[in-house]
Amino acid sequence: KNQVEQSPQSLIILEGKNCTLQCNYTVSPFSNLRWYKQDTGRGPVSLTIMTFSENTKSNGRYTATLDADTKQSSLHITASQLSDSASYICVVSARDMRFGAGTRLTVKP
Amino acid sequence: DGGITQSPKYLFRKEGQNVTLSCEQNLNHDAMYWYRQDPGQGLRLIYYSQIVNDFQKGDIAEGYSVSREKKESFPLTVTSAQKNPTAFYLCASSMQRDLSSYNEQFFGPGTRLTVL
Repeated sequence: KNQVEQSPQSLIILEGKNCTLQCNYTVSPFSNLRWYKQDTGRGPVSLTIMTFSENTKSNGRYTATLDADTKQSSLHITASQLSDSASYICVVSARDMRFGAGTRLTVKP
Repeated sequence: DGGITQSPKYLFRKEGQNVTLSCEQNLNHDAMYWYRQDPGQGLRLIYYSQIVNDFQKGDIAEGYSVSREKKESFPLTVTSAQKNPTAFYLCASSMQRDLSSYNEQFFGPGTRLTVL
């Protein structure tokens, strides 16, 4: 069983709408959590990183939250754009880095 | 892609052949990594290197080999012993590799390997 579970697996939204992606993890001990954006056929690019003591981190229209007690994180995308279409990967670092399978987001006009 | 290049972008291999994937970085990073990405799965670590002339096996090293003769270069060889090599391969680098690293890993653009 993967130690980092993401949901949904895929999501389709209309341009301009907001969406929230979920990440649940069982990795322990916890060091930090990153969200990456991966365009099709490209390498992932870091969006945010949060440590144990941080509850929220923003990067433009991307806002990540972290609840270390429930071991849950979310990535909220505001006013989506066509260029947001990509896979979003949650990565949890403990003794090692554990990658979620990603959520495939499609933004349609 | 943060100063990391991978080549080729697409690679086709016949069964029984070894192939080598190139990864070069100009970020002066000490640590380099190779990951494999399959549909519906998270990235899985194949090998990593923290310093020149040293490398360690990751979670799925069987059927793969690496070398780290230069700080800038970390080539991956997919051998004929790898039974299911068709995948997207990603190389990454970071300033350091410590066990709870805050250091960001920068990824290359990837190589898609297909076995014919």
